[in-house]
Amino acid sequence: QSVLTQPPSVSGAPGQRVTISCTGSSSNIGAGYDVHWYQQLPGTAPKVLIYGNSNRPSGVPDRFSGSKSGTSASLAITGLQAEDEADYYCQSYDSSLSGWVFGGGTKLTVL
Amino acid sequence: QVQLVQSGSELKKPGASVKISCKASGYTITSYAMNWVRQAPGQGLEWMGWINTNTGNPTYAQGFTGRFVFSLDTSVSTAYLQISSLKAEDTAVYYCARVRAEAVTTEYYYYYMDVWGKGTTVTVSS
Repeated sequence: QSVLTQPPSVSGAPGQRVTISCTGSSSNIGAGYDVHWYQQLPGTAPKVLIYGNSNRPSGVPDRFSGSKSGTSASLAITGLQAEDEADYYCQSYDSSLSGWVFGGGTKLTVL
Repeated sequence: QVQLVQSGSELKKPGASVKISCKASGYTITSYAMNWVRQAPGQGLEWMGWINTNTGNPTYAQGFTGRFVFSLDTSVSTAYLQISSLKAEDTAVYYCARVRAEAVTTEYYYYYMDVWGKGTTVTVSS
């Protein structure tokens, strides 16, 4: 059971918009700790997609955006492309555990 | 270019030990902390802890104390993860990941993993 809760899967057709939620609690996201998102393409290492809640590293398309509010965060992907099919993980810090925590991951399927 | 090069796959018997290496290139290893992350087959990412690359001081996440040891050899820009008394449930891909501290203000930073190794697969089987 992950400290941060994500839907196991989401799907969308090419060109559509999807969102992935990441729900935490008062000891992590709700405490003000930042949320970062990682994309893991099949068979590869994760890579950072969004850092500091809503910032994109250089090279990440602006189709990807992040937001945070209260005890939750969201990753939005617009203009879905086949190459977006991957697992997505949110990550934050938890004061009760005194450590970094990940969401369980969400598998995005592009129909 | 900046990269983390991890050692190759390992097949070990239960009770044995394994030492995984993570060589940093393209930057000075002591300039960034290093995280270790585990991914069991078909499962999600799990933060194992981190090592302060300036002091060599490790911090372990809950569930990764006792059999897991993070270490460092700055002379060869390499971080290590050693796992002893291996169990079948240690079968996983182990990643090292550089921790970037991005300044938001002079007193506030975003800490996130900006460079990852390709992962080392450890299989524990009799």
